[in-house]
Amino acid sequence: EPEVTQTPSHQVTQMGQEVILRCVPISNHLYFYWYRQILGQKVEFLVSFYNNEISEKSEIFDDQFSVERPDGSNFTLKIRSTKLEDSAMYFCASSEGFSNTEAFFGQGTRLTVV
Amino acid sequence: KNEVEQSPQNLTAQEGEFITINCSYSVGISALHWLQQHPGGGIVSLFMLSSGKKKHGRLIATINIQEKHSSLHITASHPRDSAVYICAVRTGTASKLTFGTGTRLQVTL
Repeated sequence: EPEVTQTPSHQVTQMGQEVILRCVPISNHLYFYWYRQILGQKVEFLVSFYNNEISEKSEIFDDQFSVERPDGSNFTLKIRSTKLEDSAMYFCASSEGFSNTEAFFGQGTRLTVV
Repeated sequence: KNEVEQSPQNLTAQEGEFITINCSYSVGISALHWLQQHPGGGIVSLFMLSSGKKKHGRLIATINIQEKHSSLHITASHPRDSAVYICAVRTGTASKLTFGTGTRLQVTL
């Protein structure tokens, strides 16, 4: 069964460092998303991406964050200068359409900023 | 902004029991998703609903659009059903999902 894959599964980084989280969405999907879940809290939307541009973003997704689809398969989330409060589980998701289609999630990347 | 509430927050059941988890939301939606999150953290999609009822194995999901309410039922529960069950909604033409806080289910022998 096709799945969304994320790498790495766990990343530890020092405050102020740049991190790139990687995702390979399901191949025929057109919509891509990043969500995050701070420990003990609910999952929050960060950004959605379609047709090589951001279609929607939350207030969390400030100038420190960026997304890119550098080739035909990868979808990346970059955090330019990490803060302690960026520590969270980051989930990538993809869907065929956006309105009434199922979203498929990756296993997540646990980011720890020290 | 859509507020998504789930109840109960925590649920303990014995193997074989029938389980119901509830989700309510404040604004009309285009779709509602039920998701399962295991202790390792990964999220698995169970159902997507915009009306009526869906069934998959021992899982049944229903939605009442007028009452802005959905339920997830698990029949003949089993310890492997132990997980966090999350309701998430998509509102209007927005692409994002808005998540509830989840219901932590523990099924014991």
